[in-house]
Amino acid sequence: EIVLTQSPGTLSLSPGERATLSCRASQSVSSSYLAWYQQKPGQAPRLLIYGASSRATGIPDRFSGSGSGTDFTLTISRLEPEDFAVYYCQQYGSSPQWTFGQGTKVEIK
Amino acid sequence: QVQLQESGPGLVKPSGTLSLTCAVSGGSISSSNWWSWIRQPPGKGLEWIGEIYHSGSTNYNPSLKSRVTISVDKSKNQFSLKLSSVTAADTAVYYCARSTVTTYRGMYYFDYWGQGTLVTVSS
Repeated sequence: EIVLTQSPGTLSLSPGERATLSCRASQSVSSSYLAWYQQKPGQAPRLLIYGASSRATGIPDRFSGSGSGTDFTLTISRLEPEDFAVYYCQQYGSSPQWTFGQGTKVEIK
Repeated sequence: QVQLQESGPGLVKPSGTLSLTCAVSGGSISSSNWWSWIRQPPGKGLEWIGEIYHSGSTNYNPSLKSRVTISVDKSKNQFSLKLSSVTAADTAVYYCARSTVTTYRGMYYFDYWGQGTLVTVSS
């Protein structure tokens, strides 16, 4: 099983600042299999990034993804008030087919 | 626009069976997609439970496999989850979701999610 470890657990930033979220895999993951989601309280997760770096439909270009192998990054270039949420990385593999990181909370400083 | 809607009892007794259904609208469950159940205990992260294809093929998380059954009803455009021998640790918001694989680069992701339904295991 591939384990995804996200860091930091909590990121305290102000609107307008840059957020850098890390997702590290316990073994190499194809970039095609790595996605990022945003979740706000009481809502289902929303797809942000797939294929490690492709933005989903309707996602603003302040969100970007990068990385390969075991290290992946989600960057929010300038935080908007609506961006404060929990972010999860996800990978597709084999048994279990899908795993998620434990999440990074981006909170207002 | 594809929509998914979970339904089922919000309270299940310990040792009982949790049963949920996910109704799919705006698209066909017989499309080239897999359909998953994912859960989230209160205040915690996401755990994938299992998935089904319209043919009836399934994949389950090994950590839950002995207790999980996922089935599909193409005539009703829905799929279902049964989780047996539940305990308080199974208390969670349960989501159904659609996964997609792109033809370009074979990228995998969940693109549509239900709103989620809270299931509490308690006597």
